[in-house]
Amino acid sequence: KQEVTQIPAALSVPEGENLVLNCSFTDSAIYNLQWFRQDPGKGLTSLLLIQSSQREQTSGRLNASLDKSSGRSTLYIAASQPGDSATYLCAVPDPLVGNQFYFGTGTSLTVIP
Amino acid sequence: ETGVTQSPTHLIKTRGQQVTLRCSSQSGHNTVSWYQQALGQGPQFIFQYYREEENGRGNFPPRFSGLQFPNYSSELNVNALELDDSALYLCASSSAASGYNEQFFGPGTRLTVL
Repeated sequence: KQEVTQIPAALSVPEGENLVLNCSFTDSAIYNLQWFRQDPGKGLTSLLLIQSSQREQTSGRLNASLDKSSGRSTLYIAASQPGDSATYLCAVPDPLVGNQFYFGTGTSLTVIP
Repeated sequence: ETGVTQSPTHLIKTRGQQVTLRCSSQSGHNTVSWYQQALGQGPQFIFQYYREEENGRGNFPPRFSGLQFPNYSSELNVNALELDDSALYLCASSSAASGYNEQFFGPGTRLTVL
């Protein structure tokens, strides 16, 4: 069974700062990793999907990297804004079943104006 | 393109009752997965439906059951509700043709069991 850990659990930064969120997983036999954003009490919004053959993926101010061999992914947010305040979750598929995804508990980000 | 929709938004039930939650998948997606998210936790996989059959199940008891319809929409049924069933229930759709590659989530149904 895949175990997913996200560090830190919570992060508070001033507006404009660059920041890095971390995700680690125990089984490196994954074919992708997905990062999500969740606003309080809401559903999940897909941010970035990285295939196992890719090392990184970019969308606007967001950049996600994947190092399968070390079981790690990072989400880099550039020039943070108050609107970035949310919980960020990473998810990886079960290496055997494939269609079952495991999530971390998330990093709660607060960007202070 | 229509996104994933879920109904109802909120639901309050008492212990022992039964509940049905509904999900419509994103246009073009034939696979629906259900997740339970307790407060402060990440979502946990309940099960997935593909071609109207269960296609994988997480560590949830049989009182959690589901259906998928020919139009790919889905229902999650929970019998004999317990207090610990209080959670946000999320539905995600994906395409089996792409190897369930990317999942798209609905807004969720908040279930409160009293």
